[in-house]
Amino acid sequence: GEDVEQSLFLSVREGDSSVINCTYTDSSSTYLYWYKQEPGAGLQLLTYIFSNMDMKQDQRLTVLLNKKDKHLSLRIADTQTGDSAIYFCAESRHGGATNKLIFGTGTLLAVQP
Amino acid sequence: KAGVTQTPRYLIKTRGQQVTLSCSPISGHRSVSWYQQTPGQGLQFLFEYFSETQRNKGNFPGRFSGRQFSNSRSEMNVSTLELGDSALYLCASSPGLAVYNEQFFGPGTRLTVL
Repeated sequence: GEDVEQSLFLSVREGDSSVINCTYTDSSSTYLYWYKQEPGAGLQLLTYIFSNMDMKQDQRLTVLLNKKDKHLSLRIADTQTGDSAIYFCAESRHGGATNKLIFGTGTLLAVQP
Repeated sequence: KAGVTQTPRYLIKTRGQQVTLSCSPISGHRSVSWYQQTPGQGLQFLFEYFSETQRNKGNFPGRFSGRQFSNSRSEMNVSTLELGDSALYLCASSPGLAVYNEQFFGPGTRLTVL
């Protein structure tokens, strides 16, 4: 099926690291993305990783990809209250020119001051 | 550069009515995609357009339709509304269709069906 799974909720203290996990389904996925959604807003692209990479770091964000297990994670260092939001992983699949994304179920990150 | 705009932002309709939502992509972008977001089903792909042609369609009934105009603006239409159509409808624009294309999302239209 097309299900991309994420844990529903994560609570951390300000200053700690957050790790949000995602399990995707299609081993032929070419790009994997992390989006952030704040209340009342659309989706903001945080970062992405190409499927031939294992890791990508972008300032406070680190993405790890385990293709064998189809597991993707997003680590946010020094988490701030402004990071409180819903985080979605998404995959784009091979097979023609398309921007279609398959989104995960979303993880609500709550940052306690 | 202005971002993706969606109108209206909020809409209340009753069952059986029809609705049209509008999306204006970022200037110069030629691809528009639509997604439905609900608490139960999450984010689901509706369709995508490029150069006025529908290139891909999600698994939604025929009541959901869309189109794209020559200026790349897009509309989606839902006929014979059902309660389950209540959702946040998001559109995303990107320069074109490719294996990788950053997509920019609008704020969405919140549709409530009573």
